[in-house]
Amino acid sequence: QQQVKQSPQSLIVQKGGISIINCAYENTAFDYFPWYQQFPGKGPALLIAIRPDVSEKKEGRFTISFNKSAKQFSLHIMDSQPGDSATYFCAASNDYKLSFGAGTTVTVRA
Amino acid sequence: EAQVTQNPRYLITVTGKKLTVTCSQNMNHEYMSWYRQDPGLGLRQIYYSMNVEVTDKGDVPEGYKVSRKEKRNFPLILESPSPNQTSLYFCASSLRQGGGEQYFGPGTRLTVT
Repeated sequence: QQQVKQSPQSLIVQKGGISIINCAYENTAFDYFPWYQQFPGKGPALLIAIRPDVSEKKEGRFTISFNKSAKQFSLHIMDSQPGDSATYFCAASNDYKLSFGAGTTVTVRA
Repeated sequence: EAQVTQNPRYLITVTGKKLTVTCSQNMNHEYMSWYRQDPGLGLRQIYYSMNVEVTDKGDVPEGYKVSRKEKRNFPLILESPSPNQTSLYFCASSLRQGGGEQYFGPGTRLTVT
């Protein structure tokens, strides 16, 4: 049973467009919400992360929006580039356990 | 170079033949973990270790064993592999869990026939 629900499963965006990936969770004990980026044939790598006491965090073209009351968080990729084409995983952590969403494959068309 | 290494990268085996996938990190991390990645399911945690000799089950531990005798190594053992364990496996380490960045290895693709 997936503890973190992620959507959409895949998306296609034009170069320069905005990609938005949404995640929802139920366990209010989660206290750390990272996003991982995975390229084909590679292991996931941390992209950006947020804690529930902050509603938004921005790093370059990547922004996490966090809604604690709705138990939802999302990743926005601004000015999407072909090099952003990858699979993105949201996750939620509590102590030693990290639960991942099912992943979103993003394709950026040039 | 700071990294997590896994061996082998690819493995094809038969049902019931015991196998071990090794994992090693050179970052002196306390925490290590094993995940399996399956299409449509994301990554699911199999086992994790908070430190040497301290391990605990993740979400999908059935059919797997682990040991942590040294800080740098965390092997995954399949005593009697079955076809439903065909998957892509990742080892990860972090300085600490509960908010720490996890560093993933390159993955091991296992096929059990």
